[in-house]
Amino acid sequence: DTAVSQTPKYLVTQMGNDKSIKCEQNLGHDTMYWYKQDSKKFLKIMFSYNNKELIINETVPNRFSPKSPDKAHLNLHINSLELGDSAVYFCASSQGPTDTQYFGPGTRLTVL
Amino acid sequence: DQQVKQNSPSLSVQEGRISILNCDYTNSMFDYFLWYKKYPAEGPTFLISISSIKDKNEDGRFTVFLNKSAKHLSLHIVPSQPGDSAVYFCAASGGIIQGAQKLVFGQGTRLTINP
Repeated sequence: DTAVSQTPKYLVTQMGNDKSIKCEQNLGHDTMYWYKQDSKKFLKIMFSYNNKELIINETVPNRFSPKSPDKAHLNLHINSLELGDSAVYFCASSQGPTDTQYFGPGTRLTVL
Repeated sequence: DQQVKQNSPSLSVQEGRISILNCDYTNSMFDYFLWYKKYPAEGPTFLISISSIKDKNEDGRFTVFLNKSAKHLSLHIVPSQPGDSAVYFCAASGGIIQGAQKLVFGQGTRLTINP
């Protein structure tokens, strides 16, 4: 059983398109996150939700919009994709906002 | 402005020897540090952590050392095993902000254990 899963694993799309990445966790955790790993390999926090409420919102373009339909899901929608959005996106979850974070396998997004 | 840096992109160690991975940070407000391990095509998994009130934490073959004055931490793996071959990320947290613990990650060090 996968604890934190992401779909799709790979996503190749054209500039200007809108795409979504889905994340689901079956750990019963209350807190979920989105991270971006850029070309320099740094993992950077983008968003965090606790009990479906946004608690961390880093300086990311407003083309990125997280949506949490319930505590087990945190989806990432990206509008008007740009070349610079190409990266690996990781979803993570934790029991609470200060607990150990468990990561999904990542989604490699390539914008052409 | 990278507040957490791992200056060695890669490290190669012989099986059975000690692996030492290093991490430097610049923000003196960081008070909690973690190491994550990542295999290809998988997400990072938590390995070990240390609070700033300690200078050492040990868990089996893994020991993390913290030198607050130098703003430096290191992960020691002894003895190194082939299964330890992975990318290791250092991460730091500056406490609870807006009700959440925000982790700042380094760029990772690829460790290869040679038989």
